[in-house]
Amino acid sequence: NAGVTQTPKFQVLKTGQSMTLQCAQDMNHNSMYWYRQDPGMGLRLIYYSASEGTTDKGEVPNGYNVSRLNKREFSLRLESAAPSQTSVYFCASSEFTASYEQYFGPGTRLTVT
Amino acid sequence: DQQVKQNSPSLSVQEGRISILNCDYTNSMFDYFLWYKKYPAEGPTFLISISSIKDKNEDGRFTVFLNKSAKHLSLHIVPSQPGDSAVYFCAASDGGGADGLTFGKGTHLIIQP
Repeated sequence: NAGVTQTPKFQVLKTGQSMTLQCAQDMNHNSMYWYRQDPGMGLRLIYYSASEGTTDKGEVPNGYNVSRLNKREFSLRLESAAPSQTSVYFCASSEFTASYEQYFGPGTRLTVT
Repeated sequence: DQQVKQNSPSLSVQEGRISILNCDYTNSMFDYFLWYKKYPAEGPTFLISISSIKDKNEDGRFTVFLNKSAKHLSLHIVPSQPGDSAVYFCAASDGGGADGLTFGKGTHLIIQP
């Protein structure tokens, strides 16, 4: 039982390049999320998927797209990377329970030069 | 405008003493609050949560207190241990369940031997 896994762990992109961050969970959770964390900042929600087949924008969606491929997988795509997207990206999943608890992956550290 | 505020970027406490981490919020629609702990190069892990219908929740060495009228919550760790050294994030939900969490900027807790 791996929980939430993310690939890659590290990535360096040049401005204008594209890439997809992958996330998978094996807890059979309905909801999945993408957050970014910048130095001195908390985690900010980029996009979320409340259930398979639905996606919605979070606080900072500009420059990103997402795909909920199936119940397990939720990917984040940068079509044309910018230096402002240098950040650590975390994927999370949850089941709607009374605790609102979300389970996080280990993160992807992305640098855009 | 920050809806969840952690005004102390860092806190140093002696081993064995009580650690008190504070969090303020502005959105009166928040009805569930969580604390997450984060070690470097890892994803956040859930610590403890509290519903707005309660004013206290305890789990072992960790207690969270909620003062709704003051829009303030605090996390108490007693006794503090070296392994508690980490960044602690306060997070809140407005009852959307699957809609994602709003995080504070975090407090870096350092436990001194």
